[in-house]
Amino acid sequence: DIKMTQSPSSLSASLGERVTISCRASENINNYLSWYQKKEDGSVKLLIYHTSRLQPGAPSRFSGSGSGKDYSLTISGLESEDIATYYCQQGYTPWTFGGGTKLELK
Amino acid sequence: EVQLVESGGGLVQPGRSLKLSCAASGFTFSDYNMAWVRQAPKKGLEWVATISYDGSSTYYRDSVKGRFTISRDNAKSTLYLQMDSLRSEDTATYYCASHTGIPPYFDYWGQGVMVTVSS
Repeated sequence: DIKMTQSPSSLSASLGERVTISCRASENINNYLSWYQKKEDGSVKLLIYHTSRLQPGAPSRFSGSGSGKDYSLTISGLESEDIATYYCQQGYTPWTFGGGTKLELK
Repeated sequence: EVQLVESGGGLVQPGRSLKLSCAASGFTFSDYNMAWVRQAPKKGLEWVATISYDGSSTYYRDSVKGRFTISRDNAKSTLYLQMDSLRSEDTATYYCASHTGIPPYFDYWGQGVMVTVSS
């Protein structure tokens, strides 16, 4: 199975700050990488698929990049509604997720 | 608006069975592959099973193969997960999700239903 490692596991940031979360796969995943947002109320939303494609309805302040084994999610200006845990996921079966990055307000 | 509503969770003893349901609305259910994803307490997300749009193909993670069965009723726009021989490590919130694209990603999610396996 492909192992996904996210860093950091938790992050404190201020409103308006630029935030970057990293995700590393145990092998090349050929840009088959998605990002999800999970809020404390349990709701989960797809933000980014195929490394950099923004899911319709996801705010444009979210962007994704990367290639090979290394990927990142960037929030260009943190808003209060972005406080959540973020997960990356690779696209080869069995489909696996990273351990999550909990984003908190500083 | 896409809606996925899970039901059927609860407390069950180890070795017993439970069946989860997921009622879908707001999209053409029969056009979409569907999946179950779970999250154990204080753990990350974990894919459990996927079924093709017409039910002809199913995929499972190794730890649930032979114990869990994913199925669907397209006439009722409903997804199911039959869970047999439950173990304490199956304790989790179970999410129903659409599983779209090539390669696939999970584009719409339900709110989740809690399953607790304990004596």
